[in-house]
Amino acid sequence: GENVEQHPSTLSVQEGDSAVIKCTYSDSASNYFPWYKQELGKRPQLIIDIRSNVGEKKDQRIAVTLNKTAKHFSLHITETQPEDSAVYFCAAIRNNDMRFGAGTRLTVKP
Amino acid sequence: NAGVTQTPKFQVLKTGQSMTLQCAQDMNHEYMSWYRQDPGMGLRLIHYSVGAGITDQGEVPNGYNVSRSTTEDFPLRLLSAAPSQTSVYFCASSYSGGRILYEQYFGPGTRLTVT
Repeated sequence: GENVEQHPSTLSVQEGDSAVIKCTYSDSASNYFPWYKQELGKRPQLIIDIRSNVGEKKDQRIAVTLNKTAKHFSLHITETQPEDSAVYFCAAIRNNDMRFGAGTRLTVKP
Repeated sequence: NAGVTQTPKFQVLKTGQSMTLQCAQDMNHEYMSWYRQDPGMGLRLIHYSVGAGITDQGEVPNGYNVSRSTTEDFPLRLLSAAPSQTSVYFCASSYSGGRILYEQYFGPGTRLTVT
């Protein structure tokens, strides 16, 4: 089955700096790659997603890039704010089977 | 719309007991799924369904059963609870265009403890 690895497991940045989280996947047939944000004690919520026919997608301060050849995709958050502090999960989907990375705990220091 | 609802919010079971976690959605989504979330391991797919009458196994299906008799409901049954099933369980649903998935909406979660 699909295996998704996510790095780093923890990330601490100063407010205003950029944060980058990287994921690799093993199954070249995976075709949908969402990113979820989970605040403490709450449910995961989608922040951005990308499909395999697109190399990059941006939504305000958040962007995702996909390299199908290398089988990795990354989340970029610019101008970080304290409210960006949360756990972020990447995922890869093939044929309705969704596999998540282990998560990255992002802390934005004011 | 209520979105995705789950009951109960908290549950304590003794080893060997059985129970059903309830999940319902009112968005007419074809796809529904169950995940468990353990510290440091992210979310792991237990079972999923692409429509009424259709279910399939995910990454960690052992010890769990599901059925999908209606579009709205997707209950998860623990057959004989074990301490290893202590976890937070999330139900999710999404629109599905055949083999194409869209944004998944998660329920609030059920925190299960097995003693």
